[in-house]
Amino acid sequence: GAVVSQHPSWVICKSGTSVKIECRSLDFQATTMFWYRQFPKQSLMLMATSNEGSKATYEQGVEKDKFLINHASLTLSTLTVTSAHPEDSSFYICSARPGTGIGGNQPQHFGDGTRLSIL
Amino acid sequence: GNSVTQMEGPVTLSEEAFLTINCTYTATGYPSLFWYVQYPGEGLQLLLKATKADDKGSNKGFEATYRKETTSFHLEKGSVQVSDSAVYFCALRASGAGSYQLTFGKGTKLSVIP
Repeated sequence: GAVVSQHPSWVICKSGTSVKIECRSLDFQATTMFWYRQFPKQSLMLMATSNEGSKATYEQGVEKDKFLINHASLTLSTLTVTSAHPEDSSFYICSARPGTGIGGNQPQHFGDGTRLSIL
Repeated sequence: GNSVTQMEGPVTLSEEAFLTINCTYTATGYPSLFWYVQYPGEGLQLLLKATKADDKGSNKGFEATYRKETTSFHLEKGSVQVSDSAVYFCALRASGAGSYQLTFGKGTKLSVIP
């Protein structure tokens, strides 16, 4: 149980295009989902917290107009990288926390990540 | 603020060797502590966790004990296998109502050779 599906797993596109990444919790509901970015040889960096039915909370230094997050249902959050450029190339990982309440002791479950390459 | 410091890798061990990956943390209150594993080309998977002092998390032969006096959560395994080759992340989640964000260490790459 507690499977998080992330799609696509790998995408290559031209500079200037927009790319949408989907994160789905397959067998549980998640009020909160998280988006991380992983740079080579570095740890995960939390980009934003996605809350169902409301605006996402972005971490300092993350451009909200660049990285659009939509959490339209309890099982789906999307990250859209708008007008992508080579410096946006990275590994993006989403996670979801089971439950529909605040707090709690449930661990996060991670997707397999999306490798984004901008040419 | 909260932070996690773990030993830098890469760590290279022979099969059946003993593994220790050190992890120390800085946080207020009583955070929950986690070890995640990332196999090549995959996302993170929860390996084990501990939610209070002196708790021992264990899974797949790995163990880690929550030591509040030393603010540590070192990962150990008595006999590693080639299949354990991966990147290991130590993480904490702050205590308190509504706290759910994870703070990660930088990761330690483990390579186990036959």
